[in-house]
Amino acid sequence: EAGVAQSPRYKIIEKRQSVAFWCNPISGHATLYWYQQILGQGPKLLIQFQNNGVVDDSQLPKDRFSAERLKGVDSTLKIQPAKLEDSAVYLCASSFPGGYGYTFGSGTRLTVV
Amino acid sequence: AQSVTQLDSHVSVSEGTPVLLRCNYSSSYSPSLFWYVQHPNKGLQLLLKYTSAATLVKGINGFEAEFKKSETSFHLTKPSAHMSDAAEYFCVVSDTGTASKLTFGTGTRLQVTL
Repeated sequence: EAGVAQSPRYKIIEKRQSVAFWCNPISGHATLYWYQQILGQGPKLLIQFQNNGVVDDSQLPKDRFSAERLKGVDSTLKIQPAKLEDSAVYLCASSFPGGYGYTFGSGTRLTVV
Repeated sequence: AQSVTQLDSHVSVSEGTPVLLRCNYSSSYSPSLFWYVQHPNKGLQLLLKYTSAATLVKGINGFEAEFKKSETSFHLTKPSAHMSDAAEYFCVVSDTGTASKLTFGTGTRLQVTL
């Protein structure tokens, strides 16, 4: 079974630039999540989608972060403009409704300089 | 609100000796509890989960955890550490009311020495 695919694996940008991350969930998983993991901390949920609708985005910094999940499959997470404190690993996960089969991707490591 | 506290940021054991990683939780509902492992530059892997069935949960690679409601604890143990167990371990809670929202602890780095 194919896992959760994320790209790119690594990204280095300058502050105030924009960046986008892509996630392809496991086939059949209606729920998709984006987490932010800052070095030395546990992952923090940024946004949760159910199909192409947002279920929870309470911890998403909406002044600079945006996410979409068109057609209820792939998702993109964008940061514009980036700040130094956005340096982190961005993890995508997917599951069946209710959290069954919860699976994480390998993440995208973002460095903002 | 749900939360977990991992009591040790770093644990060092010798190969072949027991492992104990401590976790306390706080939850408004009957929680689901998980332990995840993260090896360097790898994704998060589920070790085991508790979802209100048996209080002693067995996971992969010889790990197990015991849910103790009276102590609000969910400690992870393994009888004999192996070098390959060196990694970051996260205790995670999910309220059954929002079973898909995971709240992670800050992690415990396990070091295994010869």
